[in-house]
Amino acid sequence: EVQLVESGGGLVQPGRSLRLSCAASGFTFGTYPINWLRQAPGKGLEWVGFIRRKASGGTTEYAASVKGRFTISRDDSESIAYLQMNSLKSEDTAVYYCARYFCSGGACAYDHWGQGTLVTVSS
Amino acid sequence: VLTQSPGTLSLSPGERATLSCRASQTISSSYFAWYQQKPGQAPRLLIYGASSRATGIPDRFSGSGSGTDFTLTISRLEPEDFAVYYCQQYVTSPPMVTFGPGTKVDIK
Repeated sequence: EVQLVESGGGLVQPGRSLRLSCAASGFTFGTYPINWLRQAPGKGLEWVGFIRRKASGGTTEYAASVKGRFTISRDDSESIAYLQMNSLKSEDTAVYYCARYFCSGGACAYDHWGQGTLVTVSS
Repeated sequence: VLTQSPGTLSLSPGERATLSCRASQTISSSYFAWYQQKPGQAPRLLIYGASSRATGIPDRFSGSGSGTDFTLTISRLEPEDFAVYYCQQYVTSPPMVTFGPGTKVDIK
């Protein structure tokens, strides 16, 4: 069974840093891009960024709202992805999800999501 | 930019639901998807590639459309279908993912 489990959320002061983890199981982690997405309280879904699989260079892409502050990395040997969040702002308060990006027959989407971890940025 | 309409759809169980998602420019159907989200839960993939049902999704859910206009249809609403539905696109240049603001389907 495919599982993604986020951890590392909590209360953090503005300007501080936090690192989230996404532990995967039930599939060959290294063969999939991994995305981070978030959802502010009572709001819609927002893409944060993704990391490609090593075979595609392992490079990253970010939303404009987090570029330069957030960094995504992966450890395929441990089947874990990370989201390093620096210079946090109150508007970063959200539930953060990791999701597997799946492609079949040329069509792609997020087929498995973690349960989410809440990050609250407040003094 | 993705725009969803209506913002809220009030229907009764057994009725047909038609949800719309419009893109501000032509997008690839291959990278278009629909998700369902219930309170306190992560989103669940319903439709990918604009019209392919994800694993385990009942056939009362169907997706259609291309170019800039896409539709999610629920043929007969079941009690568990009352939720928020999001459309999503991925564009390759520059790489970016966007979601629509969501359509809430609630019980009339």
